[in-house]
Amino acid sequence: NAGVTQTPKFQVLKTGQSMTLQCAQDMNHEYMSWYRQDPGMGLRLIHYSVGAGITDQGEVPNGYNVSRSTTEDFPLRLLSAAPSQTSVYFCASSYSRTRGLNYGYTFGSGTRLTVV
Amino acid sequence: SQKIEQNSEALNIQEGKTATLTCNYTNYSPAYLQWYRQDPGRGPVFLLLIRENEKEKRKERLKVTFDTTLKQSLFHITASQPADSATYLCALHSNYQLIWGAGTKLIIKP
Repeated sequence: NAGVTQTPKFQVLKTGQSMTLQCAQDMNHEYMSWYRQDPGMGLRLIHYSVGAGITDQGEVPNGYNVSRSTTEDFPLRLLSAAPSQTSVYFCASSYSRTRGLNYGYTFGSGTRLTVV
Repeated sequence: SQKIEQNSEALNIQEGKTATLTCNYTNYSPAYLQWYRQDPGRGPVFLLLIRENEKEKRKERLKVTFDTTLKQSLFHITASQPADSATYLCALHSNYQLIWGAGTKLIIKP
């Protein structure tokens, strides 16, 4: 039982480059989300999805795109990386948004991204 | 403005003692409050949830209290062990969102 798998674990990008952070879960969770974690700050929600084909913006969506073509996968795309996007990115999932709020979320191990 | 505060300074506790971490909030009326553990280089792991109508919740050596009058939750680890060393995050469920604190680093010394 792999849970939530994120790749890559580390990435260095140059300003203006694009890349996709991968997130996959094998728990048949309908709800998936992306957070960023910065020093001294709480986790901030970037985008989330309540099921395949449905996505919505979170607190800090600018500069990021998402899509959800399958239940298992929820990739996060950086279209033109900026130094302000240097952060640790976490993917989290639960059976539903409501269930996550009531019973907690399952997180991946994160991707540490540095934009130079 | 809305704020969640956890002690940003690391908490050093002697092994065997009770560790108490604090989560304070302002300008929220949370329905639930969650606590997570985060180890270096890893994602948060869910520990406990407490509802606004619950005063206390326990799980093994963990205890969480929730005082909506004081706008505060306390997270206790009894008989602490070096393996309990980690960063602990609180998160409020308010208005269908999770709002996260920055976390408190707990160090248990042998």
